[in-house]
Amino acid sequence: GENVEQHPSTLSVQEGDSAVIKCTYSDSASNYFPWYKQELGKRPQLIIDIRSNVGEKKDQRIAVTLNKTAKHFSLHITETQPEDSAVYFCAARPFGDGGSQGNLIFGKGTKLSVKP
Amino acid sequence: EPEVTQTPSHQVTQMGQEVILRCVPISNHLYFYWYRQILGQKVEFLVSFYNNEISEKSEIFDDQFSVERPDGSNFTLKIRSTKLEDSAMYFCASSGLSEQFFGPGTRLTVL
Repeated sequence: GENVEQHPSTLSVQEGDSAVIKCTYSDSASNYFPWYKQELGKRPQLIIDIRSNVGEKKDQRIAVTLNKTAKHFSLHITETQPEDSAVYFCAARPFGDGGSQGNLIFGKGTKLSVKP
Repeated sequence: EPEVTQTPSHQVTQMGQEVILRCVPISNHLYFYWYRQILGQKVEFLVSFYNNEISEKSEIFDDQFSVERPDGSNFTLKIRSTKLEDSAMYFCASSGLSEQFFGPGTRLTVL
């Protein structure tokens, strides 16, 4: 089955710096890759997603890149702010027709700390 | 903005007891999911549900687990005989044709 690896497990940056979190997946049939932000004790919330027919997607300070050949995708946060501090999870959807109806396989998470 | 809701927020039970976790998905969604997250670990898929039947389930979702959509709004997860290792946060999620929206979770503590 699908396996998602995520690195690093913790990341500390200064406010205003960029943060990059990387994930790899094993199932070449996976076609949907969302990123979730989880604040302490809260629900995971989608911050950005990308489908396998797209190489890059950007939403303000957040961007995601996908390399299907290498089977890896990355989250980039620019101009980090203290409120970006949270645990970030990448995920992959193992199969399906390009929508988001299938189950998600999550990475182990990255705890991002943004120091003022 | 519509949200997935879950009750209770925290459930404490004795080992061997049955528990039912309840979820109200977003009203026009058709796909429903249960995930669990052991403290400090990643979110793990349990089961997905569509058209009144299970569409996928993981190895975690064994015979002790069951899901049901008893009416038009609720989606429940039943654990028949709880074990200590079932202690976790259980998230319900629902989706339409786009992203999966997660509920706030039920923290299950098995003593």
